[in-house]
Amino acid sequence: KAGVTQTPRYLIKTRGQQVTLSCSPISGHRSVSWYQQTPGQGLQFLFEYFSETQRNKGNFPGRFSGRQFSNSRSEMNVSTLELGDSALYLCASSPGQGAHVNTEAFFGQGTRLTVV
Amino acid sequence: GQQVMQIPQYQHVQEGEDFTTYCNSSTTLSNIQWYKQRPGGHPVFLIQLVKSGEVKKQKRLTFQFGEAKKNSSLHITATQTTDVGTYFCVRSNTGKLIFGQGTTLQVKP
Repeated sequence: KAGVTQTPRYLIKTRGQQVTLSCSPISGHRSVSWYQQTPGQGLQFLFEYFSETQRNKGNFPGRFSGRQFSNSRSEMNVSTLELGDSALYLCASSPGQGAHVNTEAFFGQGTRLTVV
Repeated sequence: GQQVMQIPQYQHVQEGEDFTTYCNSSTTLSNIQWYKQRPGGHPVFLIQLVKSGEVKKQKRLTFQFGEAKKNSSLHITATQTTDVGTYFCVRSNTGKLIFGQGTTLQVKP
């Protein structure tokens, strides 16, 4: 079974630009969640999608958005990039429902975003 | 509100010594999960605890969930260099994971 795949692995962008990151979950998983990891703030929840609907949202500004497609693949977008957006962005997939609603999450390798 | 507090932030031990990290919540937890992140890696699920007072073991790792379901601990017996990494306690709620600050373990050979 293939794991969670995130692309690209590394990205360098300029302040003010926008960026789109992609996440392909494990086959059969319908929940995809996104996290920002920085040395200062640790791992922070961005949002979670289940069956193409945003089910949960963290405390990030509206510049951070996401979506999920019918095949459960997910993208997150950050517009008007700021230096502070430099971070490792991780996505995780899980079954997301029923008896497995709170079972383990499987993380991708992450996308390392550097804003200059 | 939803945060989980984790201590210590860092721990340096000599190989063979024991290690413990603690996790506390101000509210009752429905479950607690533990993840390990190796340097340069991504979080990897270790275990989930659900029942009050639950204790689970994985080889040298012992996980506990408090009777009041407000705290948890991870204890590693006789650490090895392969135990190096950051250990996170995490509360899970319908696809949303709230991470503790993590405890970074360094093991001196």
